[in-house]
Amino acid sequence: EVQLVESGGGLVQPGRSLKLSCAASGFTFSNYGMAWVRQTPTKGLEWVASISTGGGNTYYRDSVKGRFTISRDNAKNTQYLQMDSLRSEDTATYYCARGTTLAYWGQGTLVTVSS
Amino acid sequence: DVVLTQTPVAQPVTLGDQASISCRSSQSLVHSNGNTYLEWYLQKPGQSPQLLIYKVSNRFSGVPDRFIGSGSGSDFTLKISRVEPEDLGVYYCFQATHDPYTFGAGTKLELK
Repeated sequence: EVQLVESGGGLVQPGRSLKLSCAASGFTFSNYGMAWVRQTPTKGLEWVASISTGGGNTYYRDSVKGRFTISRDNAKNTQYLQMDSLRSEDTATYYCARGTTLAYWGQGTLVTVSS
Repeated sequence: DVVLTQTPVAQPVTLGDQASISCRSSQSLVHSNGNTYLEWYLQKPGQSPQLLIYKVSNRFSGVPDRFIGSGSGSDFTLKISRVEPEDLGVYYCFQATHDPYTFGAGTKLELK
């Protein structure tokens, strides 16, 4: 059974950093690209970033470029999202998802950026 | 960015009825490789989104055949025949042809 489990969310002040993790199981992690998607009640679902199977290619939405870094450790079956210089508009539930076709999703982790 | 416009915003249905959701794109979703990366997701209350349809018309594993995706270019439709209680929730279209990938705003399938 495919499982994706996010962790690392929480309350953080504007300008600070947070690192999300997504532990994968039930499939050969190194065979799939991975992604992060976020959701808010006002903006809905937003694709945030994607990473290729080996990690050599990464893609970001403009509003997070230069602030967020997606990475992965295939030996640990885990992907990450390093979020720096956080802003209030980054407040959202962040989902880990498998592939470009987001075939499987985690349960989400809530990130709240507030002073 | 590619804008996906979903209509209607809400679709009241009676169980057993057919429902239809439209997703129109601000530009063609045909990729340079010839594929069209238009997907449909359902988010049930309190749950994460789940994939229903990929590349316009392909049902994902385990998705019942009452879900039918169709369309081409910039005009796409999801039809649900014989709506069942577990089909209720918010449906989203999503395009992965153009960077940045984008979602529609959602269509809520609800009981009349």
